[in-house]
Parts: sequence; C-alpha cells; structure tokens
Amino acid sequence: DSGVTQTPKHLITATGQRVTLRCSPRSGDLSVYWYQQSLDQGLQFLIHYYNGEERAKGNILERFSAQQFPDLHSELNLSSLELGDSALYFCASRGAGGLQFFGPGTRLTVL
Amino acid sequence: SQQGEEDPQALSIQEGENATMNCSYKTSINNLQWYRQNSGRGLVHLILIRSNEREKHSGRLRVTLDTSKKSSSLLITASRAADTASYFCATDAANSGYALNFGKGTSLLVTP
Repeated sequence: DSGVTQTPKHLITATGQRVTLRCSPRSGDLSVYWYQQSLDQGLQFLIHYYNGEERAKGNILERFSAQQFPDLHSELNLSSLELGDSALYFCASRGAGGLQFFGPGTRLTVL
Repeated sequence: SQQGEEDPQALSIQEGENATMNCSYKTSINNLQWYRQNSGRGLVHLILIRSNEREKHSGRLRVTLDTSKKSSSLLITASRAADTASYFCATDAANSGYALNFGKGTSLLVTP
C-alpha cells in the first residue's frame, strides 16, 4: 500500500460524458501528479500540482482539467469523453527523497 | 513524448536466471527510477538512482546509470516466477516539476 488513494477503481461511461477522478496523496506530501496509461501512448504525464498550485503540464488535452484542494486531495476532470480516452489513470505523490508513490489507478472505459 | 526506451521489449527466462533490462533516455535528468507493474495494476517503485550515482543495489536488484551514454540497466538476479511483470524506467528533471517521463517498458516472463 503506497498511501496514495484513488477513487473510483473502475468507471464505465459513454462518449460525450464527463467524469471526475479523485486522488489523495500520502500524508505529508504536498504534490500530486496525474498520469495516463493507454495501450497506444504508454504512460504519459498529464499535470502536476503542488500545494494547490499548478506547477507543470504534460500531454493533457484541453478537455481535461484538474485542481488540488486545500486539503491536498486532487480531482481530474475529463469531459466530452471519446473512445480513445479509455485508459488507466494514475495519480502519484512525491516524497522528500524524490520517490513518487503511485495510487492503484482508476480504469476508465468509454463506450 | 516519451523519454526512455527500454530494451528488450519482452524477455522470457527461467527461474533462477538473471534478467537484464536496459533503458535509454534523451535529455538531462535529476533522477532515474525503475518501477514494476503487474498486469493492469498499480506501479510499484523499485529503486531510484540519482544523476551523480553510478550504481545502486537493493536486494536482488542492481541498477547502473551511465549519464555519458544516457542509459541505465536493471539487473534482477536469481529471478522467481513472482518477478513476472512489466518494468519501466522513468526519468525526472527539475525543469518539468520532477514529472516522470516513462519508457515503454520491458515485459518480463519468468517460467518455473
């Protein structure tokens, strides 16, 4: 158990819909990173928040957005979903030594 | 875009043999990390090596880093069936907020 929690574990939805994925970092970690893993693209960095502020953006689509709340949990919002958005979505928090600890992931299926 | 490229893409060995996976990357790094993923599940951190380190050991794992060649290798000694998984290298850099840049992974199969 990494200490990073993600909900839900699985999500099945239809094209055009909007979903919200939730992540809580390890106790004491201020950072949250979101990653997407798909068969086509592999593991890709989406976005990074530190103590409520956006710090870096990766290959995140405009239809996707995220935020980090004062209690440090983060939400990744995916809208106007397409079939190609089906993937595993991970969040991770970074500890003092530079290690990133990953949550169990949310498997999104868009039908 | 992906930074690292693992080699080989797939590796099949027998229990007790050693498994070596290689990773190459393109830009300057802060750290290089190796992760393991069992089929469709979460990523488990294995080992981190800093850019000023050349070798690191953890149990049956040995990681080397050659920054002049922009490459790293992961050696798993005396492999077990339970080592069957995908292995990814990932680099980070300060100028990207230490976001991890993953390779495509090596799929390791260890047969009894």
